[in-house]
Amino acid sequence: QKEVEQNSGPLSVPEGAIASLNCTYSDRGSQSFFWYRQYSGKSPELIMFIYSNGDKEDGRFTAQLNKASQYVSLLIRDSQPSDSATYLCAVNLSGGSNYKLTFGKGTLLTVNP
Amino acid sequence: GAGVSQSPSNKVTEKGKDVELRCDPISGHTALYWYRQSLGQGLEFLIYFQGNSAPDKSGLPSDRFSAERTGGSVSTLTIQRTQQEDSAVYLCASSLTENTEAFFGQGTRLTVV
Repeated sequence: QKEVEQNSGPLSVPEGAIASLNCTYSDRGSQSFFWYRQYSGKSPELIMFIYSNGDKEDGRFTAQLNKASQYVSLLIRDSQPSDSATYLCAVNLSGGSNYKLTFGKGTLLTVNP
Repeated sequence: GAGVSQSPSNKVTEKGKDVELRCDPISGHTALYWYRQSLGQGLEFLIYFQGNSAPDKSGLPSDRFSAERTGGSVSTLTIQRTQQEDSAVYLCASSLTENTEAFFGQGTRLTVV
């Protein structure tokens, strides 16, 4: 079955530490990978996307993709209390003739002051 | 519009009544998704529209749920004979293509009393 899996957490890190969030996916044909952040009571918002193997950095955020291992991760450097949220991994999985963006269940991150 | 617009933002309905939830996607976006999120839970996929292809209805929880997308733009999610377990936030998202990031609306909070 085509799916996206994440550790539900909660993941707790101290302020200033590196938070590492992981995601695996089942479809080797997937081409697009996204990380969303969702604050409690709010809609998910896109924070990173990655299409190619390797690392992609944007400020304190780094997305890492390894297609051979079907693994995508998000690193948050110098974690801040404001980073406390649920992080959702999304992958475009093939379904018949179309691809469909499929979300994991999310990892709850808590950054402690 | 500039973003995905959903209406109403809140809806309280009596058990057994029908409700219609509306989503205006970002102009030009070919893909449109409906999700449901219960309190403290992950995103539950409901239905996916992509261009002129037949919609992927695999996530609809029962035949009381239906959705349509007219003219490749506005979408309406209809829940017939609402039940208390239908209470949740219903989120709509759209993306330019099936392989690009999705942008979420602010959701409709449905409460069935």
